[in-house]
Amino acid sequence: DTEVTQTPKHLVMGMTNKKSLKCEQHMGHRAMYWYKQKAKKPPELMFVYSYEKLSINESVPSRFSPECPNSSLLNLHLHALQPEDSALYLCASSHADRGTTEAFFGQGTRLTVV
Amino acid sequence: AQTVTQSQPEMSVQEAETVTLSCTYDTSESDYYLFWYKQPPSRQMILVIRQEAYKQQNATENRFSVNFQKAAKSFSLKISDSQLGDAAMYFCAYRSASRAGSYQLTFGKGTKLSVIP
Repeated sequence: DTEVTQTPKHLVMGMTNKKSLKCEQHMGHRAMYWYKQKAKKPPELMFVYSYEKLSINESVPSRFSPECPNSSLLNLHLHALQPEDSALYLCASSHADRGTTEAFFGQGTRLTVV
Repeated sequence: AQTVTQSQPEMSVQEAETVTLSCTYDTSESDYYLFWYKQPPSRQMILVIRQEAYKQQNATENRFSVNFQKAAKSFSLKISDSQLGDAAMYFCAYRSASRAGSYQLTFGKGTKLSVIP
């Protein structure tokens, strides 16, 4: 199983809503990532979890709150978002040591903030 | 900090022909990995090919091959016998091999490849 599964695939939310994005993998990867991607742009790193601990936060606003409840799951909790937060949110996973190098990506959640 | 540059925002190729996408990078590290990812309209980032910096031999995966020039910090992707399904955005990416526990990718801006029937 080389899949990273993200749910939901599409999400429309109001600026006062609270919602969560979910990411799941069963490859035994201990590093998981959230990226934000605007149209026609490369993915931008938001957060990195390594062995279930937050290791990198790329100065992301607090209205985005990541959570890694176990080694297979990664959540991104959303609250009081702005229209400019509308984007494709990609989850990825990889091994956290030197052994294997490639990152596997999910299909993303297309988020629209209205 | 590492940077990745893709100087061709868009390219096109005739079906069955060969096309080369360019990528240069800047780093002070000696141990790293380079990747080409493909992102079709379906959105999922798919690994096309990878290259370990310590390997002199250029990586090959079926119709995809790279020209890795470590001294020049160049990493181009050649697609042979182009197919309609190759149409996508292609991202060149860098990953450090020395930062244990956080191997995040640094992406170039991407090259949009169109395949003409």
